[in-house]
Amino acid sequence: KAGVTQTPRYLIKTRGQQVTLSCSPISGHRSVSWYQQTPGQGLQFLFEYFSETQRNKGNFPGRFSGRQFSNSRSEMNVSTLELGDSALYLCASSLGTSGNSYEQYFGPGTRLTVT
Amino acid sequence: AQRVTQPEKLLSVFKGAPVELKCNYSYSGSPELFWYVQYSRQRLQLLLRHISRESIKGFTADLNKGETSFHLKKPFAQEEDSAMYYCALNTGNQFYFGTGTSLTVIP
Repeated sequence: KAGVTQTPRYLIKTRGQQVTLSCSPISGHRSVSWYQQTPGQGLQFLFEYFSETQRNKGNFPGRFSGRQFSNSRSEMNVSTLELGDSALYLCASSLGTSGNSYEQYFGPGTRLTVT
Repeated sequence: AQRVTQPEKLLSVFKGAPVELKCNYSYSGSPELFWYVQYSRQRLQLLLRHISRESIKGFTADLNKGETSFHLKKPFAQEEDSAMYYCALNTGNQFYFGTGTSLTVIP
């Protein structure tokens, strides 16, 4: 079956703009988690959605938001972009939430560059 | 506070030599630990989890609660093991990842 897909794969934005990233989970998976990956910080958890509800949230400012649709697809939005938001944004899907210890399957990521 | 620490950013070993990638965690509850691997130009993928207590591609990892460690080991490294390895802790609310160790196996 098809893996996790993320669009777009690459994005260049300027400071102050906003951006929306999309993630389509593996068919049947109801949980989607988002991570920010940077060379210095590694993978940092942004948020987790399950059945259209945000279940958990990492330590990121309110400029970072997300949502999940009824088909489990998820979007992540970053408003008022800052240079420090340049990173690889990874999406991972699983059958259940982190509380159920299901395996996470990662997408290829969206490379965001803020200039 | 750093929940997962991988002290080595880079690790090089010769083919056939033993390899150990270190991971230490900080968590007062009952930890659930994983190793993820990312091969060149591939996605991040699960290598193994401590609750399975299984060996994947010759790798094993034992949870040591006393030392709060979950080191990844393989007795004989292969060239195809060259990759980025991430240790991860699931607290039930979220996953915490280490910063990763880049393993290079020298032929």
